[in-house]
Amino acid sequence: DAGVIQSPRHEVTEMGQEVTLRCKPISGHDYLFWYRQTMMRGLELLIYFNNNVPIDDSGMPEDRFSAKMPNASFSTLKIQPSEPRDSAVYFCASSSGPYVYSNQPQHFGDGTRLSIL
Amino acid sequence: GESVGLHLPTLSVQEGDNSIINCAYSNSASDYFIWYKQESGKGPQFIIDIRSNMDKRQGQRVTVLLNKTVKHLSLQIAATQPGDSAVYFCASPRGGEKLTFGTGTRLTIIP
Repeated sequence: DAGVIQSPRHEVTEMGQEVTLRCKPISGHDYLFWYRQTMMRGLELLIYFNNNVPIDDSGMPEDRFSAKMPNASFSTLKIQPSEPRDSAVYFCASSSGPYVYSNQPQHFGDGTRLSIL
Repeated sequence: GESVGLHLPTLSVQEGDNSIINCAYSNSASDYFIWYKQESGKGPQFIIDIRSNMDKRQGQRVTVLLNKTVKHLSLQIAATQPGDSAVYFCASPRGGEKLTFGTGTRLTIIP
C-alpha cells in the first residue's frame, strides 16, 4: 500500500517567496494532519482536517500560513511570504478514525525539508 | 500544563542486547499511547500502541509496558539490530485528534 506522499522532498527558496507544500494521504483516511519539526520545538501540530474540513488550526503560526484540502486525496500547506524562521521539516500525516473509538494511529509521510534563505 | 514524552535524550546499546526506552506523562486521563520511530531523513513510523485498559502489549521484538499508577510507559526492544538506531517518541492524544509528542530518545546501536 502506498503511504502518505509528500512533495517536494526538499525546497530551498529566498525569503519573501511563496512556498507550497503538497500531500496525498493514504486512500480511505478521513483525517489529515500538518506538522512542523524543528530542533528547538520538536514536532508541532499546525492544523488538521476531517473529511476535507479544517477542524483545528490553532497551531498555525500566523496569517502567512494557510492550508487547504480541496478533495480527499490532496492537501496543500502554503506560506506567503516565507521567512527564514519558517525553515523546518514539514510533515503530513493521515489516519482512518478518531482515537476515542478505535486505535487508529497517524501515518506520516517522509516530509518536506524547507530552507528559506 | 499537560506533557507527554518526557524522555532521556540519548541511549546507547550494544548490538544484540535489549533496550528499554522510557516515557512519562502527566495527564492521568490519557487513555491511548503510541510509540513512533523516526529514522534520519524520514517521517515518524508507527511501532506499537496501547490503550489504558492494558498494561502490556507485544509486537515483533517490541513490548510496551504501561504503568498508570506512576504514569509511565516503556518500549522494550529485544535483540537490538543496527536498523533500530533512530529517535523514538511516545505520544498521546489531547483534545480530539491532536497528538502530543515529546522530544524523543535517540537510540544508538553499537556494533
